[in-house]
Amino acid sequence: GAGVSQSPSNKVTEKGKDVELRCDPISGHTALYWYRQSLGQGLEFLIYFQGNSAPDKSGLPSDRFSAERTGGSVSTLTIQRTQQEDSAVYLCASSERGRGAPFNEQFFGPGTRLTVL
Amino acid sequence: AQSVTQPDIHITVSEGASLELRCNYSYGATPYLFWYVQSPGQGLQLLLKYFSGDTLVQGIKGFEAEFKRSQSSFNLRKPSVHWSDAAEYFCAVGPPGGGNKLTFGTGTQLKVEL
Repeated sequence: GAGVSQSPSNKVTEKGKDVELRCDPISGHTALYWYRQSLGQGLEFLIYFQGNSAPDKSGLPSDRFSAERTGGSVSTLTIQRTQQEDSAVYLCASSERGRGAPFNEQFFGPGTRLTVL
Repeated sequence: AQSVTQPDIHITVSEGASLELRCNYSYGATPYLFWYVQSPGQGLQLLLKYFSGDTLVQGIKGFEAEFKRSQSSFNLRKPSVHWSDAAEYFCAVGPPGGGNKLTFGTGTQLKVEL
């Protein structure tokens, strides 16, 4: 079956512009995560959606970052007034929920490489 | 706060040689432990995970990892490396009560010489 997909694969923007990054999770997965991978650093947790529950936004680095998940499926990560330090690879992951495992495996998409000039 | 340390940023091994990638964690209790691999232009793929029980876990692609509580370590090993193993490897921890967030190390870039 199809895995997690993300679009665009690459995005180049100018400082100060807004960008939207899209994630299509695996069908049937109720949990969705966004991570940021900056050069020379590990993956940094940004936000987590689980079903209809309020999202865990504790990893968002500033109020310029926001995300939504419509209909419990597709998610969009929005970065307003982009800065050069926002340049990174943004990874999306999804997982099942409540199948008895203590920690459900997260399946990752290929990422969106964002470059802010 | 929890943290994950991968002390080796780059490692180069010859094809056929053995491999060990180091991972140490700092956590209040034994967390759930994971190793992921990321090939160029690809998403992360789970190699193996440890939740409880046998401290030596087997994963895909011939990888294994050993959990050592006394050393707060979860090192990844492979007896004989193949050229296709060249990639970046990430160790990650998740909260022992389950939950959502994974905390990742900074990664180890593996180069395989033919």
